[in-house]
Amino acid sequence: GAVVSQHPSWVICKSGTSVKIECRSLDFQATTMFWYRQFPKQSLMLMATSNEGSKATYEQGVEKDKFLINHASLTLSTLTVTSAHPEDSSFYICSAVERGRETQYFGPGTRLLVL
Amino acid sequence: AQSVTQPDIHITVSEGASLELRCNYSYGATPYLFWYVQSPGQGLQLLLKYFSGDTLVQGIKGFEAEFKRSQSSFNLRKPSVHWSDAAEYFCAVGSGGYNKLIFGAGTRLAVHP
Repeated sequence: GAVVSQHPSWVICKSGTSVKIECRSLDFQATTMFWYRQFPKQSLMLMATSNEGSKATYEQGVEKDKFLINHASLTLSTLTVTSAHPEDSSFYICSAVERGRETQYFGPGTRLLVL
Repeated sequence: AQSVTQPDIHITVSEGASLELRCNYSYGATPYLFWYVQSPGQGLQLLLKYFSGDTLVQGIKGFEAEFKRSQSSFNLRKPSVHWSDAAEYFCAVGSGGYNKLIFGAGTRLAVHP
């Protein structure tokens, strides 16, 4: 139980294009999802908290117009990197919290490379 | 300020040896404590968690951790390490599932045959 998937697992795009990453809770309903960014050999940096049916809450320093988050249902949240640039290349990981539970379960991550 | 410190960036142990990974936290309220493991290019897998009760918690893959409030520590231990345990280990603290986690910098574990 408590499986979280991400799609795609990796993506290469050209500078200036937009990329959408999906995060799904496969066997539970997630009222809250989190999006993290991880640089090589570093820890996870929380980007935003996403609650179903409401606007995401972004961490300080994260551009909300660049990283669009949509939590459309209890099993799906999406992160869209708009007008991607090479400095957006990173490993993006989502996590989901099951309704009534206290633990974040993480997806396998999406590696983004912007050329 | 809330923070998590993992003093050891990199640890190398021999297969079969015991392991202890250190974690210290600074948190104003009663903390929820977690240990996650990350294999290369993968997401994080939950090893164990502490919310309340018995301060010695058992996790998956033979891992355990002990919460010591007086030392603000939550060290991870394993009596006998396997080569497959080589990975990055992250300690995290939070106030509950709906609130953000604060992660330590991670400890990279290498296992020698």
